[in-house]
Amino acid sequence: SQQGEEDPQALSIQEGENATMNCSYKTSINNLQWYRQNSGRGLVHLILIRSNEREKHSGRLRVTLDTSKKSSSLLITASRAADTASYFCATEGSGGSNYKLTFGKGTLLTVNP
Amino acid sequence: GAVVSQHPSWVICKSGTSVKIECRSLDFQATTMFWYRQFPKQSLMLMATSNEGSKATYEQGVEKDKFLINHASLTLSTLTVTSAHPEDSSFYICSVFQGQETQYFGPGTRLLVL
Repeated sequence: SQQGEEDPQALSIQEGENATMNCSYKTSINNLQWYRQNSGRGLVHLILIRSNEREKHSGRLRVTLDTSKKSSSLLITASRAADTASYFCATEGSGGSNYKLTFGKGTLLTVNP
Repeated sequence: GAVVSQHPSWVICKSGTSVKIECRSLDFQATTMFWYRQFPKQSLMLMATSNEGSKATYEQGVEKDKFLINHASLTLSTLTVTSAHPEDSSFYICSVFQGQETQYFGPGTRLLVL
């Protein structure tokens, strides 16, 4: 099965700066989703972008999707210390995937106060 | 979104014993739930799709006799790790599919097999 790749694997920034994380995947998708995971906890859904969409915003989050390059980016603007977490992209494959998600390896974001 | 709970939140057991993990959808009747496993500092790997009233669908490489899944009601799915061994130590997370493309995840269960 395909697995997304995020980069960077780890990112450390200062509070107030923007954080950009990238995700690449291998096969055709219905949608791509970004999730956040605090250490040792469950996942929180952040945003979903469909295959026919190119950009989406939600609060301080901006997601782009380039299906020709099979890649997506997540931008967090004006970062806060509370944004410190691991961020995962997940893709729902097209062609009868039964809504299964394939997760990338994640980016560990550290926002220093 | 759906509110999902898992019980227990963590468990320590001896090698050879079986451990049951519950996943409950508290405010939504879920015909489909998913079970994932996550090793330290790694991504989530889908283990199986739990379907209410029918057999679970397991991903390639996941032993169905090792990881027993029961989805007997629309609000409860259970994962039983049978004859657990140290290599089964992991973080197990369930999710509920609400039929709107999004999955809602439980808080996870950390299993340590000694």
